[in-house]
Amino acid sequence: GENVEQHPSTLSVQEGDSAVIKCTYSDSASNYFPWYKQELGKRPQLIIDIRSNVGEKKDQRIAVTLNKTAKHFSLHITETQPEDSAVYFCAAGFSGGYNKLIFGAGTRLAVHP
Amino acid sequence: SAVISQKPSRDICQRGTSLTIQCQVDSQVTMMFWYRQQPGQSLTLIATANQGSEATYESGFVIDKFPISRPNLTFSTLTVSNMSPEDSSIYLCSVAFTGRWGYEQYFGPGTRLTVT
Repeated sequence: GENVEQHPSTLSVQEGDSAVIKCTYSDSASNYFPWYKQELGKRPQLIIDIRSNVGEKKDQRIAVTLNKTAKHFSLHITETQPEDSAVYFCAAGFSGGYNKLIFGAGTRLAVHP
Repeated sequence: SAVISQKPSRDICQRGTSLTIQCQVDSQVTMMFWYRQQPGQSLTLIATANQGSEATYESGFVIDKFPISRPNLTFSTLTVSNMSPEDSSIYLCSVAFTGRWGYEQYFGPGTRLTVT
């Protein structure tokens, strides 16, 4: 079955710096790669996703890249702000048929003012 | 997206008892899932709730321990049976549907369960 590895487990940056979180997946059939942000005591929120027919997607300060050949995808946050501090989870799945997502272990991002 | 609610939001239960968690969505959705999130950990899929048929369980989870119902396209329940302290966790329902850009999955607010 699918396995998703996520690095780093913790990330500390200064406000205004960029942050990069990387994930690798094992199942070449996976074609849907969402990212979730979970603030303390809150539910995971879908912040951006990418599908296998594109290599990069941007939404304001966040961007995701996908390399299907290498089976890895990354989340990039630019101009970080304290409110970006949260746990970020990557996931991989197949958007057809049995659509379950497998999640990475999470990255705790701390943005220091 | 969809508005997803869960009841109860939290509960403290004694070992050996059972708790049923409800998940309600404000629109019909194709897929509903149940996840467990232990403190400081990632999200682990328990099962996929299939409308009108038995749930599909992931490895390590069994129907006797986590019976699931899904009577229609907007509602599902998860029961945690014969609880032990190891079942203390946050239980989240999740729904998936085909949005404007394709398949998307969203989470409910979660149920924080403490077993004493």
